[in-house]
Amino acid sequence: NAGVTQTPKFQVLKTGQSMTLQCAQDMNHEYMSWYRQDPGMGLRLIHYSVGAGITDQGEVPNGYNVSRSTTEDFPLRLLSAAPSQTSVYFCASSRGDTQYFGPGTRLTVL
Amino acid sequence: AQTVTQSQPEMSVQEAETVTLSCTYDTSENNYYLFWYKQPPSRQMILVIRQEAYKQQNATENRFSVNFQKAAKSFSLKISDSQLGDTAMYFCAFAPPDDKIIFGKGTRLHILP
Repeated sequence: NAGVTQTPKFQVLKTGQSMTLQCAQDMNHEYMSWYRQDPGMGLRLIHYSVGAGITDQGEVPNGYNVSRSTTEDFPLRLLSAAPSQTSVYFCASSRGDTQYFGPGTRLTVL
Repeated sequence: AQTVTQSQPEMSVQEAETVTLSCTYDTSENNYYLFWYKQPPSRQMILVIRQEAYKQQNATENRFSVNFQKAAKSFSLKISDSQLGDTAMYFCAFAPPDDKIIFGKGTRLHILP
């Protein structure tokens, strides 16, 4: 099993550009989520999904969109990137109570 | 609102010493899970240990153990015989069943040679 994979590992964007962070898992987990990690802030939940076709907002959803068309994939879209979205982004999946994390994407918005 | 508080932003200990990281949480739930995650410089989030609230026995994983005090809503992590590879950011986390996991802000731990 590859576990949870994320691409790209690093990305630099200009303000106003859009992009999609990819996340995939091969463990057949129903629950998937996106977090951002900022210094001194821990991990904050952006969006999550309890299964294909179902998504919901987390603590900091503004500026981000998600969709869940398959169990395996949960992409995160930045519609119009802003410098405040400079962060490290983690995708995670779980079946029960324990979350498994991807390696993270470091995003810089200039 | 459910919250997780880690009161120690940063700690340093000598190699081979024992260190305890503090975590408190606030919830009205009776059944839930608690976790400690480790994030080394590689950035990967690694599950260190988990505790189910209905189990009174404290969880242990090799050199890692917890002191779970349900009434006090406290969940501290003890690392025995600390090693240089234990240098990392440690996050305490709380999760009710079938609901979102909530993380503390982390404690940066330095193991000194």
